Amino acid sequence: IAGITQAPTSQILAAGRRMTLRCTQDMRHNAMYWYRQDLGLGLRLIHYSNTAGTTGKGEVPDGYSVSRANTDDFPLTLASAVPSQTSVYFCASSRALGVNEQFFGPGTRLTVL
Amino acid sequence: GQNIDQPTEMTATEGAIVQINCTYQTSGFNGLFWYQQHAGEAPTFLSYNVLDGLEEKGRFSSFLSRSKGYSYLLLKELQMKDSASYLCAVTDSNYQLIWGAGTKLIIKP
Repeated sequence: IAGITQAPTSQILAAGRRMTLRCTQDMRHNAMYWYRQDLGLGLRLIHYSNTAGTTGKGEVPDGYSVSRANTDDFPLTLASAVPSQTSVYFCASSRALGVNEQFFGPGTRLTVL
Repeated sequence: GQNIDQPTEMTATEGAIVQINCTYQTSGFNGLFWYQQHAGEAPTFLSYNVLDGLEEKGRFSSFLSRSKGYSYLLLKELQMKDSASYLCAVTDSNYQLIWGAGTKLIIKP
């Protein structure tokens, strides 16, 4: 693979279910990010990681958790999904936090019913 | 609070020039990015400004005035494939990107 991948591409989920969105990059980037994008609101940062082993909260972290066990993977977990979490989720990575170009994955379209 | 403002939608003609403005109010400033996003796709990087002035890259140029909290993206010789949303984003003092809602650019023949 080259770049950043996400899985699944899309998912329909019943409210209350647990869901993990996967993200993998092969560029050896230190920083990784999870965003959600809703119509008319732009990208909003959920969680980020400056380097393997560290994570931080973004603008809208409630209801989501992340882990960064290694450089390449940055999964996002919804412990108990709610309809307001219906959105398009993008994972991104960059060489360093905030000052380098971010490369985005293709996105996951999540619908919570 | 932190805020990025850009027009919701703009229309331009193929072959013409269009300027998309972005104004920002953030806690600190560590650079401004422009990204392009085609419908149903992920954003892709266009430009990065950290110092005042104009950065030119082919048909696209980006300008920054830090004292005015203002940037613009200039697209020349517009092509139909330039129809997309253009996202302005600012890196704040915590090195987090604050994103505008994006400007949808419609190109007409």
